[in-house]
Amino acid sequence: GAVVSQHPSWVICKSGTSVKIECRSLDFQATTMFWYRQFPKQSLMLMATSNEGSKATYEQGVEKDKFLINHASLTLSTLTVTSAHPEDSSFYICSAMTSGRTDTQYFGPGTRLTVL
Amino acid sequence: GQQLNQSPQSMFIQEGEDVSMNCTSSSIFNTWLWYKQDPGEGPVLLIALYKAGELTSNGRLTAQFGITRKDSFLNISASIPSDVGIYFCAGTLIQGAQKLVFGQGTRLTINP
Repeated sequence: GAVVSQHPSWVICKSGTSVKIECRSLDFQATTMFWYRQFPKQSLMLMATSNEGSKATYEQGVEKDKFLINHASLTLSTLTVTSAHPEDSSFYICSAMTSGRTDTQYFGPGTRLTVL
Repeated sequence: GQQLNQSPQSMFIQEGEDVSMNCTSSSIFNTWLWYKQDPGEGPVLLIALYKAGELTSNGRLTAQFGITRKDSFLNISASIPSDVGIYFCAGTLIQGAQKLVFGQGTRLTINP
């Protein structure tokens, strides 16, 4: 149980384009999902907390207009990187919590974004 | 921000050896979680600890929630090649908190 998927697993795009990443909870409903960014050889950095039906809460320093988050259903959250630039290239990982425990996160497999 | 001090940062061991890593903090944690991350993948939850003193096993893995609630360790017995990866500790600071605080990770390398 507690399986989280992400799509796509990798994406290459041109500078200036927008990219959408999907995060799905496959076998449970997730009222809260999280989006992280990970640089090589570093730990995970929380970008935002996504709550179903409401606006996402962004961490300090994360541009909400660049990283658009939509949590339209209990099983789907999307992260859209708008007007992507090479510095946005990174490994993006989502996570979700089950309704049973609000202190345990299950992670997706990640999405490797490369902006040319 | 709040940091978890995870050690060691890296380990180089022989196959079959036991492994021990730990996380400490100056703050009290409500939950301790241990994850393993393979290259190009997301972290996978290995063990979750919810009570001070709790000792939990998952196959060859054993983790404990420290009595002071400021530390946790993860042991791996009889290591095998597939244990290679980065191990992260993480936790929540207060009951009901959703955000996880992460350690810096322990990179485990195994020589066959």
